Amino acid sequence: GAGVSQSPSNKVTEKGKDVELRCDPISGHTALYWYRQSLGQGLEFLIYFQGNSAPDKSGLPSDRFSAERTGGSVSTLTIQRTQQEDSAVYLCASSRDTSYNEQFFGPGTRLTVL
Amino acid sequence: GDSVTQMEGPVTLSEEAFLTINCTYTATGYPSLFWYVQYPGEGLQLLLKATKADDKGSNKGFEATYRKETTSFHLEKGSVQVSDSAVYFCALSHNQGGKLIFGQGTELSVKP
Repeated sequence: GAGVSQSPSNKVTEKGKDVELRCDPISGHTALYWYRQSLGQGLEFLIYFQGNSAPDKSGLPSDRFSAERTGGSVSTLTIQRTQQEDSAVYLCASSRDTSYNEQFFGPGTRLTVL
Repeated sequence: GDSVTQMEGPVTLSEEAFLTINCTYTATGYPSLFWYVQYPGEGLQLLLKATKADDKGSNKGFEATYRKETTSFHLEKGSVQVSDSAVYFCALSHNQGGKLIFGQGTELSVKP
């Protein structure tokens, strides 16, 4: 079956612009997670959704970052007024639910802020 | 807060050598422990997991045992292959929420 998909695969933007990253989880998976992978910080948790609500947003680095999920499916991570330190690979993962132990990861979106 | 520490890489081995990648953790309660692998050009995928103390996770010849007394989850393989070259991440999660906390990753390179 289809795995987790993310778009775009690559995004180059100028400092100060807003970007939207999209994640399509595996059908039927109620839990969705966003992570960031960067050279300096490794793999960091950003936010997770159970259904359409986000019980834990503790990993979002600043108020420039926000995310939403609609219909219990697609999620969008928005970064406003991008900075060079936002450059990273943004990974999305989904799971049957938050108590299930395996998360399935998408291929990621590589964001480069010039 | 919770954290995971892995041995630093890169690790370079010859084919058929024995592999150990050390992983230790700090956490409240009783987390589940995981090894994820990222092959070149591919996404992260689960390699193995253990959900309680003394459990052994195994897959593709890799093994790791959940040791609560030493707060460790070391990854081992008896005979590595060139195809095992990848970055390996140790991680933990609690059942409530399930977010993964990762170690910094260990790059493994296996030479023929």
